[in-house]
Amino acid sequence: DTAVSQTPKYLVTQMGNDKSIKCEQNLGHDTMYWYKQDSKKFLKIMFSYNNKELIINETVPNRFSPKSPDKAHLNLHINSLELGDSAVYFCASSQDEFYGYTFGSGTRLTVV
Amino acid sequence: AQKVTQAQTEISVVEKEDVTLDCVYETRDTTYYLFWYKQPPSGELVFLIRRNSFDEQNEISGRYSWNFQKSTSSFNFTITASQVVDSAVYFCALSGPYGQNFVFGPGTRLSVLP
Repeated sequence: DTAVSQTPKYLVTQMGNDKSIKCEQNLGHDTMYWYKQDSKKFLKIMFSYNNKELIINETVPNRFSPKSPDKAHLNLHINSLELGDSAVYFCASSQDEFYGYTFGSGTRLTVV
Repeated sequence: AQKVTQAQTEISVVEKEDVTLDCVYETRDTTYYLFWYKQPPSGELVFLIRRNSFDEQNEISGRYSWNFQKSTSSFNFTITASQVVDSAVYFCALSGPYGQNFVFGPGTRLSVLP
């Protein structure tokens, strides 16, 4: 009955590979997000989707692409992985941004 | 531009001590929202509180309390009688009137020692 679930929890891969992180929410929220947390714990928004429309796209390399097959899912695809992509990636959802977000448990990506 | 500053990078206290985590924000919006999140060692992010800019009443929830001072652009968080389970990184965050420009502070790592 997890509200926001991400898979996998850990991902170790080599430079140049393409990988995906999946996110699903069962809260019926309208908006989903991806955040990146770096080694210094800074959280930065990457994308958000509202009703299948991208409404925020920060200065993220186009190697990163969000894919939302439906309102309950927002997957993150990363092409040609680089060492600097190593971080923890959090998925989140909200019904209304005013009421805060519910976060997944995070995916720790390590690029070697 | 929105900005959140948490000047305390790390704080260590002994169990049962009170501790206050500082948060100072910058915004040009007259209406905005402030948040606190907790990230325990397990990694997940836990929503603690949301406060809108028109509500300056302090809030208390169990051992947690929040002091919103619009005049100093601060939204400080106090844990009373801290416990080891309070050890976590705490993030203050700010959003615009429609939830846009959601920005997190850098976080404060709190260690509560037994």
